[in-house]
Amino acid sequence: DFVMTQSPDSLAVSLGERATINCKSSQSVLYDSNNKNYLAWYQQKPGQPPKLLFYWASTRESGVPDRFSGSGSGTDFTLTISGLQAEDVAVYYCQEYYSTALTFGGGTKLEIK
Amino acid sequence: EVQLVESGGGLVQPGGSLRLSCAASGFSFSTYWMSWVRQAPGKGLEWVANIKGDGSQMNYADSVKGRFTISRDNTKNSLYLEMNSLRAEDTAMYFCAKTPRDSRYSHFDYWGQGNLVTVSS
Repeated sequence: DFVMTQSPDSLAVSLGERATINCKSSQSVLYDSNNKNYLAWYQQKPGQPPKLLFYWASTRESGVPDRFSGSGSGTDFTLTISGLQAEDVAVYYCQEYYSTALTFGGGTKLEIK
Repeated sequence: EVQLVESGGGLVQPGGSLRLSCAASGFSFSTYWMSWVRQAPGKGLEWVANIKGDGSQMNYADSVKGRFTISRDNTKNSLYLEMNSLRAEDTAMYFCAKTPRDSRYSHFDYWGQGNLVTVSS
């Protein structure tokens, strides 16, 4: 079974600074036949459903600000927010879609320092 | 505009049953796999079940297999989740989620607002 481990569990960053969230999968999510990483990132604000940020690990969803970036391959992935803004306060989740289990990471809570 | 609106949640006793519905609009419903994803209070996200666009394939998380049934009615643009033998650990917000691909191996591009199911005596 896939296990998606996010770190840190919570993070406090000053406005305008960089926030980095990590996601590690227990198995590679890179599909050799198409060279795509089956990994997505979501943002969930309090009382709201998750919102898709990235898919294929680094393809930004339409409308997502370019201060957000996704990177990584295989088993190690990173979500970076450059120039943190107040509206970025949320819980961030990674999700693998390589397996039939469609497993989410445990989430990283991002707050303002 | 894509819209997903869940209904049917509420309070149910352990061992009881409940049926969730999700009304979809703004896209060609029968084209896409659809899923239910749940979130226990204060916890993370857990995929529950998905169903192919034509309703011919269904898959379930081990935690609900044999107790929950996902279905869809493409004539009504609606997704359903029949939940039986409910347990306290099934208490969660249940989200209806759309995939952008004709594949079970997919992320979710649109989510409903969620519907709360509480299992308690």
